[in-house]
Amino acid sequence: AQSVTQLDSQVPVFEEAPVELRCNYSSSVSVYLFWYVQYPNQGLQLLLKYLSGSTLVKGINGFEAEFNKSQTSFHLRKPSVHISDTAEYFCAVRVKTSYDKVIFGPGTSLSVIP
Amino acid sequence: NAGVTQTPKFQVLKTGQSMTLQCAQDMNHNSMYWYRQDPGMGLRLIYYSASEGTTDKGEVPNGYNVSRLNKREFSLRLESAAPSQTSVYFCASSLGLANEKLFFGSGTQLSVL
Repeated sequence: AQSVTQLDSQVPVFEEAPVELRCNYSSSVSVYLFWYVQYPNQGLQLLLKYLSGSTLVKGINGFEAEFNKSQTSFHLRKPSVHISDTAEYFCAVRVKTSYDKVIFGPGTSLSVIP
Repeated sequence: NAGVTQTPKFQVLKTGQSMTLQCAQDMNHNSMYWYRQDPGMGLRLIYYSASEGTTDKGEVPNGYNVSRLNKREFSLRLESAAPSQTSVYFCASSLGLANEKLFFGSGTQLSVL
């Protein structure tokens, strides 16, 4: 079975500071990796995804993530955050051979402080 | 282009009442999903439908039933609501391939008293 761990439930950070949101996963088979963002009172939307190739993936709104196979991690980063980045961030995995399930982590609440 | 539409947006039920949450997508997606979101637990899969005519249990199916009415619509039914089912419910859809993203509805906030 697959599982996703997000080590930080809440991350406060000052505006224009860098941020890293951590994600680790476990799976006995190959997976695709995703980061989704949820703004207040909205559904989730995709930030970025890792399918194959370069381990550094760039997404929307200046976010990027790095896939590390040996550490089974997929950490999300942004060099300079903005107030509008305040949201809940979810890491997710999907088994490559399965067309069905997406497993989500518990989420990290990012609060950007002016 | 509406995407994924969920109704209702808010609902309050008494314990033991029944209700159906509706979900429709207009993107010709094959797969549809129902998740519940609870604080500190992320999104947990209730049921999913990999394609029209099929449904399967997710992580937390107890107390729920689903119907994939056609390719567009996927409903979630609570036959006898319990306070433990108080949650925010999200419907999602995707083309179905493993490398495709999910498209989410805006959610239904359900309170069971």
